[in-house]
Amino acid sequence: EAQVTQNPRYLITVTGKKLTVTCSQNMNHEYMSWYRQDPGLGLRQIYYSMNVEVTDKGDVPEGYKVSRKEKRNFPLILESPSPNQTSLYFCASSVDRVVEQYFGPGTRLTVT
Amino acid sequence: GQNIDQPTEMTATEGAIVQINCTYQTSGFNGLFWYQQHAGEAPTFLSYNVLDGLEEKGRFSSFLSRSKGYSYLLLKELQMKDSASYLCAVLRGGGNKLTFGTGTQLKVEL
Repeated sequence: EAQVTQNPRYLITVTGKKLTVTCSQNMNHEYMSWYRQDPGLGLRQIYYSMNVEVTDKGDVPEGYKVSRKEKRNFPLILESPSPNQTSLYFCASSVDRVVEQYFGPGTRLTVT
Repeated sequence: GQNIDQPTEMTATEGAIVQINCTYQTSGFNGLFWYQQHAGEAPTFLSYNVLDGLEEKGRFSSFLSRSKGYSYLLLKELQMKDSASYLCAVLRGGGNKLTFGTGTQLKVEL
């Protein structure tokens, strides 16, 4: 089954404790992206990747890191999480940036 | 900068037609997407417009006017399952960045 998976689905952590949210797709897609979704602000793009070893900032990259060492994986790293990073995070992938993106199920992160 | 505006909420009756508008101001426009998101779920793709005009796909149609910075999503023969948030998103910045509006919450009533 073609899909985008994210782990974990739910995470509660404390300020400053490094964490990684994994994202994997099995569709051989080149374009992958991370978003956060907050009430009243909608979906905002954090980082995107055009292909292996090619990543760039979206609209809200501060406090996040990403890497793309393999085509299928695009982890999101929070080196020192803060409460303002409490949000619902979505990973998405597509064959190309100008076609439909397939979204993962989301990761709900709470930073206390 | 970039700005995308959609109505926050809309209500319509089952079987009717509803039009959800989206206006945008952005640099480096490369196309406009519409996504549907049910509560507690991930967004799913509805349409993509890059040229002016109307794209029809079943009960859903999407229109784009690049000169006016305007798009709309038209939903016909509304069903209860169409109750969801509808997200307008602009592809910009050379076609690599996707910026979403805050979404329109549509409620379909009997």
